[in-house]
Amino acid sequence: DQQVKQNSPSLSVQEGRISILNCDYTNSMFDYFLWYKKYPAEGPTFLISISSIKDKNEDGRFTVFLNKSAKHLSLHIVPSQPGDSAVYFCAATRFGNEKLTFGTGTRLTIIP
Amino acid sequence: EAGVTQFPSHSVIEKGQTVTLRCDPISGHDNLYWYRRVMGKEIKFLLHFVKESKQDESGMPNNRFLAERTGGTYSTLKVQPAELEDSGVYFCASSQWQGAYEQFFGPGTRLTVL
Repeated sequence: DQQVKQNSPSLSVQEGRISILNCDYTNSMFDYFLWYKKYPAEGPTFLISISSIKDKNEDGRFTVFLNKSAKHLSLHIVPSQPGDSAVYFCAATRFGNEKLTFGTGTRLTIIP
Repeated sequence: EAGVTQFPSHSVIEKGQTVTLRCDPISGHDNLYWYRRVMGKEIKFLLHFVKESKQDESGMPNNRFLAERTGGTYSTLKVQPAELEDSGVYFCASSQWQGAYEQFFGPGTRLTVL
């Protein structure tokens, strides 16, 4: 049973526009969420995270939003750049437990 | 500072053979994790070491998988005997201390079992 779901396997966005990647979770015990970015033949790289006590966290062009009542989070990238083309994984965990539960990933393609 | 390294990068073996994957975490990182991604699906947790001790091995699929972390440094993951469904990419990750949720991943070992 998949506890973290990324229902869009792929997304294409024009360079300079906003990219929005979505993630849903089913386990209400999760209280810390992370986004990882993965290029081909490389391991996932940490991008940004958010604790359940917040509903928004920003880091430069990247913003993560958390809607606890809907068990939904999203990653916004503004403006999108060609180097953002990668697979993005959403992950969740519980405080005190470093085991990460990942989604299946969304492949983002930025069109020049 | 060197990142997490994994060896080999690729391994192709026959069903029934044995394979050993190695992971060298970032120096000074006490926490070491193994994950696996099968056929474009989600990345699944296998186990977590704190130094040389297994903290959580709830994700290990069965007793054909054996993980060790000698002296709290590098780790090995042995699959014996390998089955077709063991094919996938095996990632190792490390983090400096407990409660550090941002884990640093290695490039992975792609295992193909024929």
